[in-house]
Amino acid sequence: ILNVEQSPQSLHVQEGDSTNFTCSFPSSNFYALHWYRWETAKSPEALFVMTLNGDEKKKGRISATLNTKEGYSYLYIKGSQPEDSATYLCAFTRSGTASKLTFGTGTRLQVTL
Amino acid sequence: EPEVTQTPSHQVTQMGQEVILRCVPISNHLYFYWYRQILGQKVEFLVSFYNNEISEKSEIFDDQFSVERPDGSNFTLKIRSTKLEDSAMYFCASREGAGNQPQHFGDGTRLSIL
Repeated sequence: ILNVEQSPQSLHVQEGDSTNFTCSFPSSNFYALHWYRWETAKSPEALFVMTLNGDEKKKGRISATLNTKEGYSYLYIKGSQPEDSATYLCAFTRSGTASKLTFGTGTRLQVTL
Repeated sequence: EPEVTQTPSHQVTQMGQEVILRCVPISNHLYFYWYRQILGQKVEFLVSFYNNEISEKSEIFDDQFSVERPDGSNFTLKIRSTKLEDSAMYFCASREGAGNQPQHFGDGTRLSIL
């Protein structure tokens, strides 16, 4: 059974704060790690797909790192803004599985003024 | 920007009835998926579809479930005889090519079984 865990479950920060969350996943048979941003009543929006150990990816104020040997990824948001409020999901793909995504429970971020 | 569209946004159905959820994936995408999220639980994989056949399915995807791509644009999920526990948000996703590309999701269909 694949277990993808995310922490914390929820986070409440002030505008301008920087924050980070963790995704842990099985380190064996790794293929890819996906990060999604999911606003209420909208579709999950793809942020990053990471495949190589040591990968770092950046999109504006959001960045992510990947450690496939120990099975974790961090997502960082620099200078949080209210529009960053959303649930951040990570999803793991195992090699040889037609790339189905196994999701974590998500981290719900709320940024207030 | 092209997007995955799903209809209806909300479907209410009596237990035991058949329901069809519809999806129009992004036009040049080759891989198609259905996921669902029961309230308060993780998003879970149901089925993947490529080259007009199922490539993988989960334990949830039993004989009551089927998928079809009847006309090269629509991708449908049918539940033959719905149960109360089928109540969930159902998401369609599509992917263009290689497995290291992202899956693009629709807004979902909320299925409520009474």
